[in-house]
Parts: sequence; structure tokens; C-alpha cells
Amino acid sequence: NAGVTQTPKFQVLKTGQSMTLQCAQDMNHEYMSWYRQDPGMGLRLIHYSVGAGITDQGEVPNGYNVSRSTTEDFPLRLLSAAPSQTSVYFCASSGTTTDSVWAEAFFGQGTRLTVV
Amino acid sequence: AQSVTQPDIHITVSEGASLELRCNYSYGATPYLFWYVQSPGQGLQLLLKYFSGDTLVQGIKGFEAEFKRSQSSFNLRKPSVHWSDAAEYFCAVGAQSSNQFYFGTGTSLTVIP
Repeated sequence: NAGVTQTPKFQVLKTGQSMTLQCAQDMNHEYMSWYRQDPGMGLRLIHYSVGAGITDQGEVPNGYNVSRSTTEDFPLRLLSAAPSQTSVYFCASSGTTTDSVWAEAFFGQGTRLTVV
Repeated sequence: AQSVTQPDIHITVSEGASLELRCNYSYGATPYLFWYVQSPGQGLQLLLKYFSGDTLVQGIKGFEAEFKRSQSSFNLRKPSVHWSDAAEYFCAVGAQSSNQFYFGTGTSLTVIP
């Protein structure tokens, strides 16, 4: 049982480059989300999705895009990387079609991104 | 607006001593409350959660937390800390109205022998 899988684990980008962080879950969860974690700021929600084809913005969405074409995958796209996007990114999923979305959030191992 | 406050950035305790990590929240309705733990270089793992009912909830690894509505608090406790408990602890609120989780800034726990 893989749970939530994030790739890559580490990435270095140059300013202005674009890239996609991948997130996949095998638990048939409806709710998926992306967070960034910065020192002293906890986890801040970037984007989330309550099901395939539905996405919405969180607290810090600028500079990021998401899509949810399948239940399993929720990629996060950095359009034009900036040094301010240097952070650790976590993907999480929760809920099923029968359970509450609030039961428990399962987190991936994180992606450490550095923008130079 | 919803928010979560963890007033202690860093706590140091001796192994075997008791532990209490503080969490205060701001939310208009009945909140869903969570405590997560993060070991270095790892993702977050759920310790316990409160939705309704008994205000004292038991979690994994010997942790418990008490929901106090009058104080808007959800403090995490453990009677005897082990060296392996050294980690970062996050309190979170689930806001059903906005489909979002709100996390506190975390408390880093150091355990000394």
C-alpha cells in the first residue's frame, strides 16, 4: 500500500524555469491538497481539490497551477520559478466516497525545492 | 477567519518527564481538531483527532489531547516522554465550511537524556 507518493524528492531550479511536482494516491481519496512548509510558518495551503475536475485556491496560490483529471493524481505546476518559491512541498489526501473527508489526511514524504 | 496558534516554538524536556504542547484555535463553528507529528525529513503523521463527543481523546504513541471549548484550546499531553518523541508537532483545524485545513506554525520538541 503506497499511500501518497510525491516525486521528485529534491529539485533545484533556475529562476524562470517551470516544472511539475507529481502527487499520486492509491486510496481512492476524494480530497487532495498541496502545502508549502517554510521555517516558522507551518504548512500553508496552496491549492486543493474535492474531486476529479474540481480545484480551488488555498491561502498562497500565486505562481502555482493545479489540475485534477483523475482521482489518483494531483500535479502542482510552477509556472515561472522564483527564489520565493524555495520551500518544502507536501501533498496530502483524505476522505473517500463513503468516509468523511476530515477523517485523516495522509501526507507524502515531501519535495524539497530550491530556486536559484 | 480561521487560525491556529501554537505559542511555543520550541520545548525541551527530559526523558521520562511529562509533556504538554499548547494549541489555541479561532473558528466560528465546531471545529475538527488534529495533532500531527513530523520527524526530520518526513511527512506528517496523524497522532489524534477530535470531531465530537468525549473531549479527552487518545491517540497513538501514548499521546492524548483535551478539547476545551471555553478556552478554544486543544492541548496535547503525554505523561512520560521518550527520546523517540523528539520531532515537530503541528496542531490543525479542519474547516468544513471552506474545505480547508489550517495548521499552526508548529512546536519543535527536544528530549534530553
